[in-house]
Order: sequence, then structure tokens, then C-alpha cells
Amino acid sequence: AQSVAQPEDQVNVAEGNPLTVKCTYSVSGNPYLFWYVQYPNRGLQFLLKYITGDNLVKGSYGFEAEFNKSQTSFHLKKPSALVSDSALYFCAVSENTGFQKLVFGTGTRLLVSP
Amino acid sequence: DSGVTQTPKHLITATGQRVTLRCSPRSGDLSVYWYQQSLDQGLQFLIQYYNGEERAKGNILERFSAQQFPDLHSELNLSSLELGDSALYFCASSVAGRGTEAFFGQGTRLTVV
Repeated sequence: AQSVAQPEDQVNVAEGNPLTVKCTYSVSGNPYLFWYVQYPNRGLQFLLKYITGDNLVKGSYGFEAEFNKSQTSFHLKKPSALVSDSALYFCAVSENTGFQKLVFGTGTRLLVSP
Repeated sequence: DSGVTQTPKHLITATGQRVTLRCSPRSGDLSVYWYQQSLDQGLQFLIQYYNGEERAKGNILERFSAQQFPDLHSELNLSSLELGDSALYFCASSVAGRGTEAFFGQGTRLTVV
């Protein structure tokens, strides 16, 4: 069965600094990987996905993620954090067989200080 | 706005009762997913439907059931409610299966008292 680990409950970064939110996955075969963001009292919003191809994926709001097959990781990055990036971030994985079942990590709270 | 509509937004009910949560997917989306988000369990996948048929099942309790109707809207039925069922229930939809991103509704916050 597929699974995702987000090892950090919270990441703190100062505005203007680069940010990284970590995600590692476990899946049989090749994964489909996703990042979502959740703002307070809102649903999850899709940021980006990796299906195949280039290991560096660019997404919404200046976010990008790097797929590393040997380390089974899919870390979310942004070169310069904004206070408005403060939110809960979820990594998700699905297997590339059968019908998609998106399994989410436990989430990482990002706090960007002014 | 994701295009996924969930009703009601809030629901307060007593233990032992039954409730129905409703989800209208984005126009054209055939897949509907249900998730439960609680503080202690995180975001748990419950069940997925594709064009009216159940396709994947997660940690869904026997007291819970779901279905997807011919017009593609879906309902999640929760019965014999317990205090621990209090959570945020999300519906998501996607165009098809593998590799397609899911779009989430704003959720239904269920409080069991």
C-alpha cells in the first residue's frame, strides 16, 4: 500500500528566505505525487504534481517540487517565502495502477514570519 | 472556487443520529472522493466513486456509506454517530483516474454532541 511521510509538523522561515517542506513516499511501482495547500477554514488547493518526465516540477504561486527517485522524496520548495504562504501543506501519492486512491501525509504547517 | 460544492457547511447533531452529506463535483468530473479530516487522524481517505461505481475504499467505517448518483453528485451517509465522528468531511472530484489532480470542496464540519 502506498504511504507518504512528512517528517516535520512545522517549518518556520523568515519572509524572503527560501523554504523547503519535506515529503518522502512509499509506493509499488512508479508514483504519482501531488502537493496541496490548505488555508484556515478552506478546502485543499492543488499546487503541483509529478507524473513523469522532468524531476523539477513548477506549480502555482511560485512553488516547485523536486522528485528524487533514489531517495523516494518529493520536497516542496520556494525561492523566496511570503507571509501569505503561511498555511498547512499536504503531500499526497497514488499508485500508477488501478484507479487512483490519493493518500495524504499528515501535513506540515508552514509559518512565515515578517 | 474549486467548483466542488458541499452541503451543508456545518452540521451539529446528537450521538446515535444519522446525517447525509452532499457533494456536487466539478462539471465534467467523473470521479468523486470522500475524505475525513480530524486533529488526531489527519486526512483519511474514505472512499472513491467513478461514474456511479465504487472504485476504491479506504478507512471507512461500516456505519458510513456513500453513493454516486447518475447525475454524478455523491452523498456520504453517517449513521449511529459517535463523538469521535466529529470532523471535517471533504469531497473532491477529478476528471478521471490515475495522475489527475483532485479538486476539493470547502468541506462539511460535523459536530456530534
